[in-house]
Amino acid sequence: DSGVTQTPKHLITATGQRVTLRCSPRSGDLSVYWYQQSLDQGLQFLIQYYNGEERAKGNILERFSAQQFPDLHSELNLSSLELGDSALYFCASSALPGEQYFGPGTRLTVT
Amino acid sequence: GEDVEQSLFLSVREGDSSVINCTYTDSSSTYLYWYKQEPGAGLQLLTYIFSNMDMKQDQRLTVLLNKKDKHLSLRIADTQTGDSAIYFCAESRSSSNTGKLIFGQGTTLQVKP
Repeated sequence: DSGVTQTPKHLITATGQRVTLRCSPRSGDLSVYWYQQSLDQGLQFLIQYYNGEERAKGNILERFSAQQFPDLHSELNLSSLELGDSALYFCASSALPGEQYFGPGTRLTVT
Repeated sequence: GEDVEQSLFLSVREGDSSVINCTYTDSSSTYLYWYKQEPGAGLQLLTYIFSNMDMKQDQRLTVLLNKKDKHLSLRIADTQTGDSAIYFCAESRSSSNTGKLIFGQGTTLQVKP
């Protein structure tokens, strides 16, 4: 158990809908990262927050957004969902350079 | 470029050593990582190495880094059936000024009894 929690574990929704994925980092970790894992794209970095502020953006679509709250948990919002958004979404957290711990992931299926 | 490259598949017999290889392109890489993913599970951090090191050993795991060739390897001694999984190599780069990880495509390790 990495100490990073993600909810829900599975999510099935229809095209055009909006969903919110939630992540709680390890206790004390200020950085939260979101990654997408799909069969065709592999593991791709989406976005990073550090202590509530956006730190870096990767291959994140404009339909996706994220935030980190004062209690350091983070949410990833995915809207106008398309079939191609079906993937595993991972959250990771870190406190020290060189250590990044991943949650169990949320499997999103868009039908 | 952005690429981190790994071979896709490795098959070994139980008890043998496994060596999983990875190449990366960016000389500014600061940390290089190995993660393990079992079916239906998240990514487990196995080990990582700072770029000024050549080798790191942790129980059955040995990481070798050749900075000149930008080559990283993970050796698993006495491989067990429980080691069957996908192994991802990843790097973080000082040039990005963040800790974001760039992953290889993963190597599926099959351990035969």
